[in-house]
Amino acid sequence: SQKIEQNSEALNIQEGKTATLTCNYTNYSPAYLQWYRQDPGRGPVFLLLIRENEKEKRKERLKVTFDTTLKQSLFHITASQPADSATYLCAALLSGSARQLTFGSGTQLTVLP
Amino acid sequence: GAGVSQSPSNKVTEKGKDVELRCDPISGHTALYWYRQRLGQGLEFLIYFQGNSAPDKSGLPSDRFSAERTGESVSTLTIQRTQQEDSAVYLCASSSRAAGTPELFFGEGSRLTVL
Repeated sequence: SQKIEQNSEALNIQEGKTATLTCNYTNYSPAYLQWYRQDPGRGPVFLLLIRENEKEKRKERLKVTFDTTLKQSLFHITASQPADSATYLCAALLSGSARQLTFGSGTQLTVLP
Repeated sequence: GAGVSQSPSNKVTEKGKDVELRCDPISGHTALYWYRQRLGQGLEFLIYFQGNSAPDKSGLPSDRFSAERTGESVSTLTIQRTQQEDSAVYLCASSSRAAGTPELFFGEGSRLTVL
């Protein structure tokens, strides 16, 4: 069945380093992937969308890549700060007829000062 | 307000009672979604409304769950005869199909605790 998988439940990195989060999908290649940030007790907040014909998208310290061969998206936060600590979710439509986003289970990022 | 509004923010109920959760989407957003998030887990799709089309109910876990939406306004998620496994945060999101990027705007959620 179609799935979105985020391969690490938790990631700890040192402040100033680059955090790299992974999102993999199976079989069907989505037209786009989205990344969201979720803080404890809050709803997810949209960060970036990357389309299948885009290799890379940037927004300030954030960078997302989309590799349709590897069926994978990477989410990078450069010069990470403790304020970047949160859970990051990737999401996609997992079939041509789907109208609802399917979300991965998220990666909890902690940036240590 | 400018964002998606959900109420109540917290609800504690006894097993077997019915609960209603409300969502006010962003004005003008034609699409509305309900998701469920259990503690420490990802988002589980429940139901999707798009304009006046028939809703996509494929994610509702049982017939105890139902949702309504009047036009492009408020939606209500109803859980009948609540069970302890219904305890979760229920998140509502809306989006504008007219926008170039179909991002979802989420509310802060309604935390349901079934004792």
